[in-house]
Amino acid sequence: DTAVSQTPKYLVTQMGNDKSIKCEQNLGHDTMYWYKQDSKKFLKIMFSYNNKELIINETVPNRFSPKSPDKAHLNLHINSLELGDSAVYFCASSQPRQGIVIQYFGAGTRLSVL
Amino acid sequence: DAKTTQPPSMDCAEGRAANLPCNHSTISGNEYVYWYRQIHSQGPQYIIHGLKNNETNEMASLIITEDRKSSTLILPHATLRDTAVYYCIVRVRAYSGGGADGLTFGKGTHLIIQP
Repeated sequence: DTAVSQTPKYLVTQMGNDKSIKCEQNLGHDTMYWYKQDSKKFLKIMFSYNNKELIINETVPNRFSPKSPDKAHLNLHINSLELGDSAVYFCASSQPRQGIVIQYFGAGTRLSVL
Repeated sequence: DAKTTQPPSMDCAEGRAANLPCNHSTISGNEYVYWYRQIHSQGPQYIIHGLKNNETNEMASLIITEDRKSSTLILPHATLRDTAVYYCIVRVRAYSGGGADGLTFGKGTHLIIQP
């Protein structure tokens, strides 16, 4: 059983379209995250979310929005896609235990905007 | 979170121990050292963490200097599958209800295991 799963694995779309990436975790964690890895391979946090709080990286355009139907799911919606949105997007989850936070990552979704 | 410095790349022969250094000279007393790695085209993977004592698990060992200003991740018998980018990350202890902020990844060390 995959702990953190993302769909789709690959997504190719046209500029201006709206798309969603889904993420599910079966670890019972309270916190989920979205990261973006650009062409230069830098990994950056976009959002973190638990059932109480959404933390948004201020550099993320408001075309990106996380939506959580329940604790096990955090989907990423992207409106009006732009060429610069092409990247690999990773979902992750964690649960603090005695002050330690270990994040478990999905396999990534490679988004290509044409 | 304290800043970390790692060499951009390292080579290691298969079967040998791979020793990856990390400098975190501004670490504070309530910050842990975490190591993750990212194998090509995969998501980052947690390896190990520590506060001030040396730690070992099934994947690696972590040696933290007494002053905590640097650490070394040791892969005891490196295999080709250990070729990856290794990230050293310093994070403050998470208190109740906390820990929701994301990890700050630097550039890491690209470890190449040579056959």
